[in-house]
Amino acid sequence: DAGVIQSPRHEVTEMGQEVTLRCKPISGHDYLFWYRQTMMRGLELLIYFNNNVPIDDSGMPEDRFSAKMPNASFSTLKIQPSEPRDSAVYFCASRTGGRGNTIYFGEGSWLTVV
Amino acid sequence: GESVGLHLPTLSVQEGDNSIINCAYSNSASDYFIWYKQESGKGPQFIIDIRSNMDKRQGQRVTVLLNKTVKHLSLQIAATQPGDSAVYFCAENRNSGYALNFGKGTSLLVTP
Repeated sequence: DAGVIQSPRHEVTEMGQEVTLRCKPISGHDYLFWYRQTMMRGLELLIYFNNNVPIDDSGMPEDRFSAKMPNASFSTLKIQPSEPRDSAVYFCASRTGGRGNTIYFGEGSWLTVV
Repeated sequence: GESVGLHLPTLSVQEGDNSIINCAYSNSASDYFIWYKQESGKGPQFIIDIRSNMDKRQGQRVTVLLNKTVKHLSLQIAATQPGDSAVYFCAENRNSGYALNFGKGTSLLVTP
């Protein structure tokens, strides 16, 4: 079975540019999560969706960050404008409903803003 | 505040020895816990989970112990192998909801 698929795997961009990260969750999973990982802060939840509806976006750092889920098989995380402090690994993850079900992670998008 | 923390940032063990990775949590309302393994350049991978109505759960070479009295979680790896070298994260269900709150991670290094 295909896991969570993320693209791009690596991106280097200049400060001020728009960055769009993409995610395809596991088929049949109705929860989708965006996490950010840095050495200083570890794995932080940015936002999660249930049935394509944002449920908790309290982790989104600021208005420069936005996330959408137009359908059950696709989500985007956009940063506009990007800043060097946004450099991190961004993970998308998904799970089925029901309490206690495992969250499955993609391989991550490694973002460097210079 | 609510958080998941790890006692040790790094752990070095010899191949063949048993490893124990510890984790403390502060949210007494958490009812589900997971251990993840993250290898360099990859996403976190599920290892084992445990619900709060259990004290112990065993998998293949791994055991998770939960002590709700002191809010402590541990991961035991038997006969540690070089392939076990990775960063290990404990996580709890966030605000008793559907997302997970992760600890900072423990780096496990297995030496020959």
